[in-house]
Amino acid sequence: DAGITQSPRHKVTETGTPVTLRCHQTENHRYMYWYRQDPGHGLRLIHYSYGVKDTDKGEVSDGYSVSRSKTEDFLLTLESATSSQTSVYFCAISDRGGINTEAFFGQGTRLTVV
Amino acid sequence: AQRVTQPEKLLSVFKGAPVELKCNYSYSGSPELFWYVQYSRQRLQLLLRHISRESIKGFTADLNKGETSFHLKKPFAQEEDSAMYYCALRAQYNFNKFYFGSGTKLNVKP
Repeated sequence: DAGITQSPRHKVTETGTPVTLRCHQTENHRYMYWYRQDPGHGLRLIHYSYGVKDTDKGEVSDGYSVSRSKTEDFLLTLESATSSQTSVYFCAISDRGGINTEAFFGQGTRLTVV
Repeated sequence: AQRVTQPEKLLSVFKGAPVELKCNYSYSGSPELFWYVQYSRQRLQLLLRHISRESIKGFTADLNKGETSFHLKKPFAQEEDSAMYYCALRAQYNFNKFYFGSGTKLNVKP
């Protein structure tokens, strides 16, 4: 398995509180991504990073922010958690590489907002 | 705009039956397509990629540019194939983003 660690693995939080999820990689890959996984929607890209301090929005970025101060860490923050953000969050990494480059995934964080 | 469509949410077959999971895509460039598999409560892992033209665990997938499809096939399903399958498209020249379909849950019955 690629060296990707997500923390925490499970979290229950209250509506309106800020939450930060962490993704840590040991592969020195350039690209990092945050996805949320919901039934019927598959994986949807929240934010991505293409280098240290280089980040951009994905397709479902409202209510989320990210930071990448080091190559190995990509943080996802829910500024004020809502019940609609209850989901499983996956971090992924990829390198530019050649034409065969794949994405590697973390184990996921199950977030429940009550 | 890039898009990946998996029309079937659930596919149930009996052990030993053939399986075909459908995937269609739209992409203006030259597509790079992948199939990922997720076993119960595990991380997604790569099953195969179209460039390699390989067979993994008996699964194959052929890229059909004319029909913009990348269907996943297996001639004889096994119970251990039961999982969630995602088709993905890599936008190599758009910040290396990966776009996923909504997934198909394969249930192989004994």
